[in-house]
Amino acid sequence: NAGVTQTPKFQVLKTGQSMTLQCAQDMNHEYMSWYRQDPGMGLRLIHYSVGAGITDQGEVPNGYNVSRSTTEDFPLRLLSAAPSQTSVYFCASSYGSWGGSSYEQYFGPGTRLTVT
Amino acid sequence: GENVEQHPSTLSVQEGDSAVIKCTYSDSASNYFPWYKQELGKGPQLIIDIRSNVGEKKDQRIAVTLNKTAKHFSLHITETQPEDSAVYFCAASKSSASKIIFGSGTRLSIRP
Repeated sequence: NAGVTQTPKFQVLKTGQSMTLQCAQDMNHEYMSWYRQDPGMGLRLIHYSVGAGITDQGEVPNGYNVSRSTTEDFPLRLLSAAPSQTSVYFCASSYGSWGGSSYEQYFGPGTRLTVT
Repeated sequence: GENVEQHPSTLSVQEGDSAVIKCTYSDSASNYFPWYKQELGKGPQLIIDIRSNVGEKKDQRIAVTLNKTAKHFSLHITETQPEDSAVYFCAASKSSASKIIFGSGTRLSIRP
């Protein structure tokens, strides 16, 4: 299994540009989430999905869109990039029910985004 | 909504000594408390978790304690080793794998 994969690894955008961060998992996990990580602020939940066709907002959803058309993929869209969106973005997936003994989230390697 | 506070933000201990990281949560309905370790340039990885019906859980040199009344939980690492140097995150959830709220992280450094 490849686990959770994210592309690209690095990206530089100009203010106002749009882009999509890709996330895919091959573990047949129901739940997928997007987090952003900023210095001193930990991991903040942007959007999450409990299954194909179902998404919901997390702690910091403004400026981001998501969709979940398949179990495997959960792309994150920045419609009009702003410098405040400079961050490291992590995608994670997990089983929906108490899979085994935990709700362990499996994280991807991250995408480092800079908006100038 | 849930809020998780984590202390300290940085911690430096001598190799072989113990390290303790503490977290408090705000939502009394939370009942799942995982701890993640993040090494440089990588995504976080689960190291131990605890459910609210258990007061303590141990896995080799790592232990987690939970006080539901006070709404706080702690990570204990004994006999620290250089490979324990990393950023550690606590988190809380209401039995939902989808919405796990993380603390702000603790950067642990092990001095040789």
